Amino acid sequence: NAGVTQTPKFRVLKTGQSMTLLCAQDMNHEYMYWYRQDPGMGLRLIHYSVGEGTTAKGEVPDGYNVSRLKKQNFLLGLESAAPSQTSVYFCASSPSWVQETQYFGPGTRLLVL
Amino acid sequence: AQSVTQPDIHITVSEGASLELRCNYSYGATPYLFWYVQSPGQGLQLLLKYFSGDTLVQGIKGFEAEFKRSQSSFNLRKPSVHWSDAAEYFCAVVAGGGADGLTFGKGTHLIIQP
Repeated sequence: NAGVTQTPKFRVLKTGQSMTLLCAQDMNHEYMYWYRQDPGMGLRLIHYSVGEGTTAKGEVPDGYNVSRLKKQNFLLGLESAAPSQTSVYFCASSPSWVQETQYFGPGTRLLVL
Repeated sequence: AQSVTQPDIHITVSEGASLELRCNYSYGATPYLFWYVQSPGQGLQLLLKYFSGDTLVQGIKGFEAEFKRSQSSFNLRKPSVHWSDAAEYFCAVVAGGGADGLTFGKGTHLIIQP
Protein backbone atom coordinates (compact mmCIF):
# COMPACT_ATOMS: atom_id res chain seq x y z
CA ASN A 1 0.00 0.00 0.00
CA ALA A 2 1.95 3.00 -1.29
CA GLY A 3 -0.58 5.68 -0.23
CA VAL A 4 -0.22 8.84 -2.30
CA THR A 5 2.63 9.03 -4.78
CA GLN A 6 3.74 11.93 -6.95
CA THR A 7 5.75 11.96 -10.17
CA PRO A 8 8.24 13.51 -10.76
CA LYS A 9 9.99 14.44 -7.51
CA PHE A 10 11.86 17.37 -9.04
CA ARG A 11 11.73 19.19 -12.34
CA VAL A 12 13.34 22.22 -13.95
CA LEU A 13 11.42 24.00 -16.71
CA LYS A 14 12.10 26.98 -18.90
CA THR A 15 9.52 29.74 -19.12
CA GLY A 16 6.82 28.78 -21.62
CA GLN A 17 7.36 25.03 -21.42
CA SER A 18 4.56 22.70 -20.45
CA MET A 19 4.47 19.74 -18.13
CA THR A 20 2.13 17.43 -16.26
CA LEU A 21 2.43 16.38 -12.65
CA LEU A 22 0.95 12.99 -11.79
CA CYS A 23 -0.66 12.07 -8.49
CA ALA A 24 -1.72 8.50 -7.80
CA GLN A 25 -3.44 7.00 -4.77
CA ASP A 26 -4.15 3.37 -4.02
CA MET A 27 -6.61 3.89 -1.16
CA ASN A 28 -9.76 4.12 -3.29
CA HIS A 29 -10.34 7.68 -2.11
CA GLU A 30 -13.03 9.79 -3.74
CA TYR A 31 -11.56 13.24 -3.09
CA MET A 32 -8.22 14.45 -4.42
CA TYR A 33 -6.50 17.83 -4.14
CA TRP A 34 -3.58 19.79 -5.52
CA TYR A 35 -1.83 22.37 -3.30
CA ARG A 36 1.18 24.56 -3.78
CA GLN A 37 3.53 25.52 -0.97
CA ASP A 38 5.57 28.71 -1.07
CA PRO A 39 7.87 30.07 1.65
CA GLY A 40 5.93 31.95 4.30
CA MET A 41 2.60 31.22 2.57
CA GLY A 42 1.58 27.83 3.89
CA LEU A 43 -0.29 25.61 1.45
CA ARG A 44 -2.83 26.97 -0.98
CA LEU A 45 -5.41 24.93 -2.85
CA ILE A 46 -5.09 24.96 -6.64
CA HIS A 47 -7.77 22.53 -7.80
CA TYR A 48 -9.65 19.61 -6.37
CA SER A 49 -11.85 16.71 -7.41
CA VAL A 50 -14.76 15.08 -5.60
CA GLY A 51 -14.83 12.02 -7.82
CA GLU A 52 -13.83 10.50 -11.13
CA GLY A 53 -14.55 12.86 -14.00
CA THR A 54 -15.05 15.93 -11.77
CA THR A 55 -12.80 18.90 -11.07
CA ALA A 56 -13.22 22.27 -9.39
CA LYS A 57 -11.17 25.41 -8.81
CA GLY A 58 -9.53 26.21 -5.54
CA GLU A 59 -7.95 29.38 -4.24
CA VAL A 60 -5.18 29.80 -6.86
CA PRO A 61 -6.23 28.02 -10.09
CA ASP A 62 -4.88 30.44 -12.71
CA GLY A 63 -2.25 28.93 -15.02
CA TYR A 64 -3.14 25.35 -14.10
CA ASN A 65 -5.46 22.69 -15.48
CA VAL A 66 -6.41 19.34 -14.01
CA SER A 67 -8.00 16.09 -15.04
CA ARG A 68 -9.41 13.10 -13.16
CA LEU A 69 -10.05 10.48 -15.83
CA LYS A 70 -9.43 7.62 -13.43
CA LYS A 71 -10.40 7.54 -9.78
CA GLN A 72 -6.88 6.79 -8.63
CA ASN A 73 -5.13 9.50 -10.65
CA PHE A 74 -5.24 13.30 -10.52
CA LEU A 75 -3.15 15.19 -13.05
CA LEU A 76 -1.99 18.79 -12.76
CA GLY A 77 -0.96 20.52 -15.97
CA LEU A 78 1.00 23.67 -16.62
CA GLU A 79 0.42 24.73 -20.24
CA SER A 80 2.94 27.58 -20.29
CA ALA A 81 5.13 27.66 -17.21
CA ALA A 82 6.03 30.97 -15.58
CA PRO A 83 8.66 31.75 -12.92
CA SER A 84 5.79 32.52 -10.50
CA GLN A 85 4.89 28.83 -10.64
CA THR A 86 8.18 27.86 -9.01
CA SER A 87 6.94 26.05 -5.93
CA VAL A 88 6.55 22.73 -4.17
CA TYR A 89 3.38 20.96 -5.24
CA PHE A 90 1.54 18.57 -2.97
CA CYS A 91 -1.21 16.19 -3.85
CA ALA A 92 -3.61 14.87 -1.23
CA SER A 93 -6.57 12.53 -1.08
CA SER A 94 -9.36 11.80 1.39
CA PRO A 95 -11.95 9.04 1.55
CA SER A 96 -15.03 11.15 1.04
CA TRP A 97 -16.16 14.26 2.85
CA VAL A 98 -13.36 16.76 3.39
CA GLN A 99 -13.64 16.41 7.15
CA GLU A 100 -11.93 13.10 6.71
CA THR A 101 -8.17 13.06 7.11
CA GLN A 102 -6.29 14.16 4.03
CA TYR A 103 -3.30 12.01 3.10
CA PHE A 104 -0.47 13.87 1.43
CA GLY A 105 2.08 12.81 -1.12
CA PRO A 106 5.80 13.61 -0.71
CA GLY A 107 5.68 16.63 -3.02
CA THR A 108 7.10 17.72 -6.37
CA ARG A 109 9.64 20.51 -6.42
CA LEU A 110 9.32 22.61 -9.57
CA LEU A 111 11.76 25.29 -10.68
CA VAL A 112 10.81 27.52 -13.60
CA LEU A 113 13.66 29.52 -15.05
CA ALA B 1 -14.07 33.90 3.81
CA GLN B 2 -12.35 31.66 6.29
CA SER B 3 -8.79 32.30 7.41
CA VAL B 4 -6.24 30.84 9.78
CA THR B 5 -3.58 32.79 11.65
CA GLN B 6 -0.51 31.30 13.22
CA PRO B 7 1.09 34.27 15.01
CA ASP B 8 4.48 32.66 15.58
CA ILE B 9 6.67 32.09 12.53
CA HIS B 10 9.46 30.48 14.57
CA ILE B 11 9.49 28.99 18.06
CA THR B 12 12.54 27.64 19.88
CA VAL B 13 12.04 25.23 22.76
CA SER B 14 14.51 23.26 24.85
CA GLU B 15 14.27 19.50 24.69
CA GLY B 16 12.06 18.25 27.51
CA ALA B 17 10.24 21.56 27.87
CA SER B 18 6.55 22.07 27.22
CA LEU B 19 5.24 23.45 23.95
CA GLU B 20 2.27 25.50 22.87
CA LEU B 21 1.69 26.55 19.26
CA ARG B 22 -1.00 29.12 18.66
CA CYS B 23 -3.72 29.05 16.04
CA ASN B 24 -6.60 31.46 15.54
CA TYR B 25 -9.29 31.02 12.94
CA SER B 26 -11.95 33.13 11.35
CA TYR B 27 -14.96 31.18 10.17
CA GLY B 28 -18.66 31.91 10.38
CA ALA B 29 -19.98 28.44 11.10
CA THR B 30 -18.81 25.63 13.32
CA PRO B 31 -15.25 25.01 12.22
CA TYR B 32 -13.56 21.77 11.42
CA LEU B 33 -9.98 22.22 12.58
CA PHE B 34 -6.79 20.32 11.94
CA TRP B 35 -3.13 20.32 12.90
CA TYR B 36 -0.61 18.88 10.43
CA VAL B 37 3.14 18.41 10.80
CA GLN B 38 5.70 18.55 8.02
CA SER B 39 9.18 17.16 8.60
CA PRO B 40 11.96 18.53 6.37
CA GLY B 41 11.57 17.37 2.76
CA GLN B 42 8.42 15.43 3.56
CA GLY B 43 4.71 15.69 2.95
CA LEU B 44 2.20 16.59 5.65
CA GLN B 45 0.97 14.22 8.34
CA LEU B 46 -2.18 14.72 10.38
CA LEU B 47 -1.57 15.18 14.12
CA LEU B 48 -5.16 15.65 15.23
CA LYS B 49 -8.52 17.10 14.26
CA TYR B 50 -11.59 18.62 15.86
CA PHE B 51 -15.10 18.33 14.50
CA SER B 52 -17.37 18.47 17.53
CA GLY B 53 -17.78 17.19 21.08
CA ASP B 54 -15.00 17.26 23.64
CA THR B 55 -13.01 20.44 23.11
CA LEU B 56 -9.75 18.78 24.15
CA VAL B 57 -8.57 16.40 21.46
CA GLN B 58 -5.71 13.96 21.62
CA GLY B 59 -3.49 13.22 18.68
CA ILE B 60 -0.50 11.20 17.69
CA LYS B 61 3.03 11.62 19.07
CA GLY B 62 1.75 12.90 22.41
CA PHE B 63 0.16 16.08 21.03
CA GLU B 64 -3.15 17.55 22.13
CA ALA B 65 -5.15 20.62 21.15
CA GLU B 66 -7.93 22.57 22.78
CA PHE B 67 -10.77 24.24 20.88
CA LYS B 68 -11.93 27.49 22.46
CA ARG B 69 -14.86 28.97 20.61
CA SER B 70 -14.87 32.19 22.68
CA GLN B 71 -11.29 32.89 21.64
CA SER B 72 -11.53 31.42 18.12
CA SER B 73 -8.46 29.40 18.94
CA PHE B 74 -7.19 25.87 18.49
CA ASN B 75 -3.78 25.77 20.17
CA LEU B 76 -1.52 22.75 19.96
CA ARG B 77 0.31 21.52 23.07
CA LYS B 78 2.81 18.91 24.12
CA PRO B 79 4.03 18.48 27.71
CA SER B 80 7.59 17.49 26.84
CA VAL B 81 9.17 17.90 23.41
CA HIS B 82 11.71 15.61 21.83
CA TRP B 83 14.38 16.52 19.29
CA SER B 84 12.38 14.60 16.67
CA ASP B 85 9.52 17.12 17.05
CA ALA B 86 11.53 19.71 15.14
CA ALA B 87 9.39 20.41 12.08
CA GLU B 88 6.92 22.80 10.49
CA TYR B 89 3.44 22.81 12.03
CA PHE B 90 0.33 23.89 10.17
CA CYS B 91 -3.10 24.68 11.50
CA ALA B 92 -5.94 24.33 8.99
CA VAL B 93 -9.69 24.78 8.71
CA VAL B 94 -12.01 23.24 6.19
CA ALA B 95 -13.19 25.67 3.57
CA GLY B 96 -16.51 26.40 1.97
CA GLY B 97 -19.42 24.01 2.23
CA GLY B 98 -17.26 21.04 2.98
CA ALA B 99 -16.27 19.78 -0.45
CA ASP B 100 -13.41 22.23 -0.82
CA GLY B 101 -9.91 21.69 0.44
CA LEU B 102 -8.27 22.93 3.58
CA THR B 103 -7.33 26.54 4.30
CA PHE B 104 -3.93 26.51 5.95
CA GLY B 105 -2.14 28.92 8.21
CA LYS B 106 1.33 29.98 7.17
CA GLY B 107 2.97 27.59 9.55
CA THR B 108 5.17 27.68 12.65
CA HIS B 109 8.73 26.43 12.43
CA LEU B 110 9.67 24.59 15.63
CA ILE B 111 13.32 24.45 16.64
CA ILE B 112 14.42 22.17 19.46
CA GLN B 113 17.47 23.17 21.50
CA PRO B 114 19.50 20.39 23.14
